[in-house]
Amino acid sequence: KQEVTQIPAALSVPEGENLVLNCSFTDSAIYNLQWFRQDPGKGLTSLLLIQSSQREQTSGRLNASLDKSSGRSTLYIAASQPGDSATYLCASTGANNLFFGTGTRLTVIP
Amino acid sequence: DAGITQSPRHKVTETGTPVTLRCHQTENHRYMYWYRQDPGHGLRLIHYSYGVKDTDKGEVSDGYSVSRSKTEDFLLTLESATSSQTSVYFCAISENSGRAGDTQYFGPGTRLTVL
Repeated sequence: KQEVTQIPAALSVPEGENLVLNCSFTDSAIYNLQWFRQDPGKGLTSLLLIQSSQREQTSGRLNASLDKSSGRSTLYIAASQPGDSATYLCASTGANNLFFGTGTRLTVIP
Repeated sequence: DAGITQSPRHKVTETGTPVTLRCHQTENHRYMYWYRQDPGHGLRLIHYSYGVKDTDKGEVSDGYSVSRSKTEDFLLTLESATSSQTSVYFCAISENSGRAGDTQYFGPGTRLTVL
């Protein structure tokens, strides 16, 4: 069974700082890796999806990387803003399922 | 935003009563999923559907059943609710399966409390 771990569980940074969120998974036989954002009391919003054959994906200030061989993915957020405060979830994709980590709660301090 | 609605958004019920949650989509996507989110566990798949009347179990399916009689609707039923089923339930949809690399789009969630 796929196990997905996210460290740290919580992170506070001052506005403008660059930061990295980490995700690790135990089974490298994944179809892709996704990063989501969840605001309190809300659903999940897809941020980036990295296909298993890719190494990274970029969207605006976000860059996600994938290293299948080591079972790791990172989400890099550049020039953080208070609006980035949320919980960030990574999920590895099986054939018909997503295996989620428990998330990193990010607080960006103005 | 993907057109996904869930109803009800909040529900409080008593142990032993049946409960049905509804997920409705306007995207005509083939795949639909039900997840539950609990502190310390992240989101876990309950059941999914890959077409009308085609469903399969997920990781935590015990105590739950599903039905899909139309493309747009996916129902999750707790036949006899228990306190351990207190959770936030999310519906998700995708056009194709994970093999095809499609992302899943999530609904706003239903907060269920079983007393």
